[in-house]
Amino acid sequence: GQQLNQSPQSMFIQEGEDVSMNCTSSSIFNTWLWYKQDPGEGPVLLIALYKAGELTSNGRLTAQFGITRKDSFLNISASIPSDVGIYFCAAYTSGTYKYIFGTGTRLKVLA
Amino acid sequence: GAGVSQSPRYKVAKRGQDVALRCDPISGHVSLFWYQQALGQGPEFLTYFQNEAQLDKSGLPSDRFFAERPEGSVSTLKIQRTQQEDSAVYLCASSPTTGYDRDEQFFGPGTRLTVL
Repeated sequence: GQQLNQSPQSMFIQEGEDVSMNCTSSSIFNTWLWYKQDPGEGPVLLIALYKAGELTSNGRLTAQFGITRKDSFLNISASIPSDVGIYFCAAYTSGTYKYIFGTGTRLKVLA
Repeated sequence: GAGVSQSPRYKVAKRGQDVALRCDPISGHVSLFWYQQALGQGPEFLTYFQNEAQLDKSGLPSDRFFAERPEGSVSTLKIQRTQQEDSAVYLCASSPTTGYDRDEQFFGPGTRLTVL
């Protein structure tokens, strides 16, 4: 099925470093979402973006909805060990309910 | 409970067996979704219910997959004659209203199905 292109696939970083990941699509979407999934758990919503160009923060997390509506990025500042997990972008078109997910970025934080 | 629950959490089946996976959505949530998450991939949409009505089953991979939500609350995903390619985590999500615009989907922990 259709999936969004997410990069990097995985990253190892030192505690305290900033992290950046992005998500691209060949299609236009009206809403972009970022989720975190811990092992053995379902995805949990971190940030939702509803307008092209929108920049939204949630604590140490900042995400932006690209102006072309075909991409989004997520930044994590001053990473801590509990940031470990898999981060997924997701997107959908206004008026639908069907989320399209990215392939995930696996983040590992070295203390 | 406060969140979406799924059972069993783990299921091992022999190829050819039938399995049934249960989802208990958040109480009062109108919409319910099933997703399939293969190893190392993001979730992929399977089917959508609004109350007891199955409005979209376009993501079901074959006619061996069947989902129901007869009373508009608990849902069951059934897989008949399981195949090895059915091995995946099956996620259930619910949302408060119709599932459209700005209606957040809340995910359960998933059922990990392994077909031997």
